Amino acid sequence: DQQVKQNSPSLSVQEGRISILNCDYTNSMFDYFLWYKKYPAEGPTFLISISSIKDKNEDGRFTVFLNKSAKHLSLHIVPSQPGDSAVYFCAAIHPFTGTASKLTFGTGTRLQVTL
Amino acid sequence: NAGVTQTPKFQVLKTGQSMTLQCAQDMNHEYMSWYRQDPGMGLRLIHYSVGAGITDQGEVPNGYNVSRSTTEDFPLRLLSAAPSQTSVYFCASGQRLHSGNTIYFGEGSWLTVV
Repeated sequence: DQQVKQNSPSLSVQEGRISILNCDYTNSMFDYFLWYKKYPAEGPTFLISISSIKDKNEDGRFTVFLNKSAKHLSLHIVPSQPGDSAVYFCAAIHPFTGTASKLTFGTGTRLQVTL
Repeated sequence: NAGVTQTPKFQVLKTGQSMTLQCAQDMNHEYMSWYRQDPGMGLRLIHYSVGAGITDQGEVPNGYNVSRSTTEDFPLRLLSAAPSQTSVYFCASGQRLHSGNTIYFGEGSWLTVV
């Protein structure tokens, strides 16, 4: 049972445009969400997070939006740069069964930023 | 990935062999965990620990053992390797998330079981 879903395996965006990566979840008890970026042959690196008490969080070019009623979050990258080409994972934490040790990951979306 | 060190980076095992993947962190984090990444499946939790002496199973624990004798180290043992354990393994450490800290991953260990 995939509780966190990233339905787009890949996305191609032109440099300078907006990249929008989507993530859906089924467990309404998740209360904290994170986005990770992963380059080949490296570990995931943290990008941005959001608590369920917020609906938006910004950090530079990266903004995460959370729609709790739709159980949907999205990561916006503006403007997209070639160095953003990577696999992006969303992850979620359950407040009772989850801790910083236990993330539930989506399957990832491969973003390619073209020149 | 600073602060979480995994060894070895690459390993080839024969079916039935045992081995230990090492993980060490120097950030005094309470929480540590092991994930495996397989094609099309994202990262799945194997085992985790919320402090020295405390471990618990994750989503896919079968065939693996862990221990947490110190805050810094969290080794993952494969008891009798099987081809299904061919994967990329990531160790992670972190503090409590709601304080604003986050989780850091090691660079990964590529394991092939033949």
